[in-house]
Amino acid sequence: AQTVTQSQPEMSVQEAETVTLSCTYDTSESDYYLFWYKQPPSRQMILVIRQEAYKQQNATENRFSVNFQKAAKSFSLKISDSQLGDAAMYFCAYRGDILTGGGNKLTFGTGTQLKVEL
Amino acid sequence: KAGVTQTPRYLIKTRGQQVTLSCSPISGHRSVSWYQQTPGQGLQFLFEYFSETQRNKGNFPGRFSGRQFSNSRSEMNVSTLELGDSALYLCASRPRQETYEQYFGPGTRLTVT
Repeated sequence: AQTVTQSQPEMSVQEAETVTLSCTYDTSESDYYLFWYKQPPSRQMILVIRQEAYKQQNATENRFSVNFQKAAKSFSLKISDSQLGDAAMYFCAYRGDILTGGGNKLTFGTGTQLKVEL
Repeated sequence: KAGVTQTPRYLIKTRGQQVTLSCSPISGHRSVSWYQQTPGQGLQFLFEYFSETQRNKGNFPGRFSGRQFSNSRSEMNVSTLELGDSALYLCASRPRQETYEQYFGPGTRLTVT
């Protein structure tokens, strides 16, 4: 079974600074997808960024980028120029390859609560 | 385009009762997944429906069931409620089963007393 581990329950960052959230995962599959979701106090889950395992290039979405290390099974999220609106719970999630029976289910980590300070 | 909607948003039930939660996916989306979020267990996959068929199921007891209608709307039912069923139940939809991006609804907060 796949597992996702987020070892940082809480992180703080100063506004306009950069912060990196860590995520490691365990899988025996060779093809899969990784995601970072943001859950603000409203509880609405919002997709921040995704990474296909077969792609070597790290994904970027504006101020958000990932450091994907397939061999190390590591998938960290970097938030640049942090803003007050970035304050939320961030979840790392794994999805296997549907063609190999991984199905569509997402396996989530336990989350990292990000606080943004003035 | 309207997002995923879930009703009701909040619900209080008594232990032993049953409850039905509803999820309306984004128009045109045919796949609906359900997740349970609790402080202790985190986010856990319940099941997924596509074209009115359950395609995948998580590790939950048989008290948890669901279905999907021809218009892609989905319901989940929990019978014989237990205190531990108190949770935020999230629904997510996607256009096709192979699409990797899911769009989540705001959730239904269920409290069992």
